Amino acid sequence: AQSVAQPEDQVNVAEGNPLTVKCTYSVSGNPYLFWYVQYPNRGLQFLLKYITGDNLVKGSYGFEAEFNKSQTSFHLKKPSALVSDSALYFCAVQPLGGGADGLTFGKGTHLIIQP
Amino acid sequence: GAVVSQHPSWVICKSGTSVKIECRSLDFQATTMFWYRQFPKQSLMLMATSNEGSKATYEQGVEKDKFLINHASLTLSTLTVTSAHPEDSSFYICSARAEGASPLHFGNGTRLTVT
Repeated sequence: AQSVAQPEDQVNVAEGNPLTVKCTYSVSGNPYLFWYVQYPNRGLQFLLKYITGDNLVKGSYGFEAEFNKSQTSFHLKKPSALVSDSALYFCAVQPLGGGADGLTFGKGTHLIIQP
Repeated sequence: GAVVSQHPSWVICKSGTSVKIECRSLDFQATTMFWYRQFPKQSLMLMATSNEGSKATYEQGVEKDKFLINHASLTLSTLTVTSAHPEDSSFYICSARAEGASPLHFGNGTRLTVT
C-alpha cells in the first residue's frame, strides 16, 4: 500500500522569501506524484504533477517541485512567497497503474505567509 | 477545462433524514469518480470509487448502505447519506479524472451539518 508523509503541520515564511513544503512517499514501483492546494471551505486545486521525465516540475502560480527518487521525496518550492499563497497544501501519490485508483493524500501542511 | 461541479455547497439537515450530493464533470467524461470525506484540520479520506454503470467500490470501514453511490452517466455521480446523524457532519468532496495519468479534478465540496 502507498503512503505519503508531510512532516510539518505548519510552515511559516515571510513574504518574499523562498518556501519549501516537504513531502515523502512510499509506493511500490514508480509513482505518480501530485501537489494540491486547498483554500477554506473549498475543494482542492491541482498545482503540479510528476509522471516521468525531468525531476524538476513546474506548476501553477510559480510553484515547482523536485522529484528525488533516492530520497523518495517530492518537496514543493517557490522562490518568492506571496501572502496569497497562504493555504493548506496536500501532497498525493498514485500507483503507476493509474487508471481507476484514487489518490492517497498526506495529512496536509498549512502554509502561512507573513507580510 | 476539466471542471467538476459539486452541488450543493452546503446543506443542513435534521437527524434521520437523507441528503443527496451531486458531482458532475462539466467538460469531460469520467468513467470513474471518487468520493472523499474531510474532517476539520485533517486530510482527505477516500470513501469510495464510483464506477459508471456498475457498483461502487467502498473503502474499508465505510458503510455502503449508509453512503449510497450512484454513477448513472459518464458525467454524473451522486452520494446519498441515508438516515444522517450528527456524526456524519463533515466536508464531502468528489473528484474525477479525464484519463489514466491525468490529475484528479475536484469539486468545491459540500459542507454537511446534521442537527
